[in-house]
Parts: sequence; structure tokens; C-alpha cells
Amino acid sequence: EAQVTQNPRYLITVTGKKLTVTCSQNMNHEYMSWYRQDPGLGLRQIYYSMNVEVTDKGDVPEGYKVSRKEKRNFPLILESPSPNQTSLYFCASRTYRDGNTGELFFGEGSRLTVL
Amino acid sequence: RKEVEQDPGPFNVPEGATVAFNCTYSNSASQSFFWYRQDCRKEPKLLMSVYSSGNEDGRFTAQLNRASQYISLLIRDSKLSDSATYLCVVNRNTGGFKTIFGAGTRLFVKA
Repeated sequence: EAQVTQNPRYLITVTGKKLTVTCSQNMNHEYMSWYRQDPGLGLRQIYYSMNVEVTDKGDVPEGYKVSRKEKRNFPLILESPSPNQTSLYFCASRTYRDGNTGELFFGEGSRLTVL
Repeated sequence: RKEVEQDPGPFNVPEGATVAFNCTYSNSASQSFFWYRQDCRKEPKLLMSVYSSGNEDGRFTAQLNRASQYISLLIRDSKLSDSATYLCVVNRNTGGFKTIFGAGTRLFVKA
């Protein structure tokens, strides 16, 4: 089954404790991206990757890091989480074979609370 | 001003009603356009792509007006199961390859 898998789905942590949210897709998609969703603001792009070893900032990259060492994986790293990073996070992927027109496939989301 | 703007609603409509959502985008370099549907606390899923010629998928019709930078979604014969948030989404590749989401329009369909 074609899917994007995120882990953990739910996490409560404390300020300053490094954490990683993993994202994996099995569709051989070139493009992967991370979003956060907050009430009234919609989904905002954190980082994206066009392919292996190619990453770029989205609209809200501060406080986050990513890496793309393998095509299928795109982890999101919070080196020193703060309460303003409490949010619902989505990973998504799509092919780039159709240019910039392809459908985004989303993971089920990771709800993060930073105390 | 947000790059993609939608009326947040909520729209409260009875079953069988026709409802229309609008969306405007500000970046004229935007290339492709979509409507996604998001159920409460779930991931967004593609509802339909939007083309200048207009396109229809069953009870759903989407339209794009590039000159006015305006996108619409029409839902006919609303069902209870249509209750969700509808996200207007725009792709562009200026300033990076970006996918920009509107904040969403909430729809409640009541019996």
C-alpha cells in the first residue's frame, strides 16, 4: 500500500529535549516536505527536499532541521524544542515527474506538545 | 496579507444544498491549483485539481480564473459526509518550490 508514515503520532516533551520525528514514504517520490498546522493559520511549510541531499527552507524553518540521506526518509529534528513549537506536524511527498503539478500525499500527522 | 486567502466560514448548510467556496491567491507566478479536503485532526487529501477550463468530478466543480487570481469550488446536493474543512492550495516555483495552503473553509452539512 502506497503511504507516508510518520512517527511518533503523539509526543509530549519538555523544553530543550532534542527530538526527531521520522517520515518515510514508499512511493519513490522525489519531493518531500514538512508542514505544521496551527489553528487559524493553516498548514505552513517548514522545510522541503527536491531529492536526496537537496533540502531548502520553507516559510517557517526556525528551530527545525532536516536531512535527506535516503530518498524514502525525511526526518524532522527539533534540536531544542520550545513551547511555540507545539503543533500538529505533517510530512508529505509527491513525485516531481509531472513538474509542479503533482498531488501531495500526507502522513497521518504527529501531534507534538512541548511543555 | 496571506498569499492564499479563504473565507474561514463556517458554512452551515442543509443536506441537498449547493454551496460555493472561494479562494484568492496573490502570487501571479503560481502554477498549479488544487482543492484538498481535511477531516477533523486528519491529514489533508486531494479532492481535485483545478484547471482554467474548469473541471467537474461528480457533485464537485472547480474553476480557476488566472486573470483575477481566483479559484472556486462548488458542491451540489451536499451530503452529511461532505462536512469537513476545504483547503485551497497553490504550487509555485519562484522563491523555491513551494506549496502554499489557505487556512481552510469549514463546512457543516446538517440533516
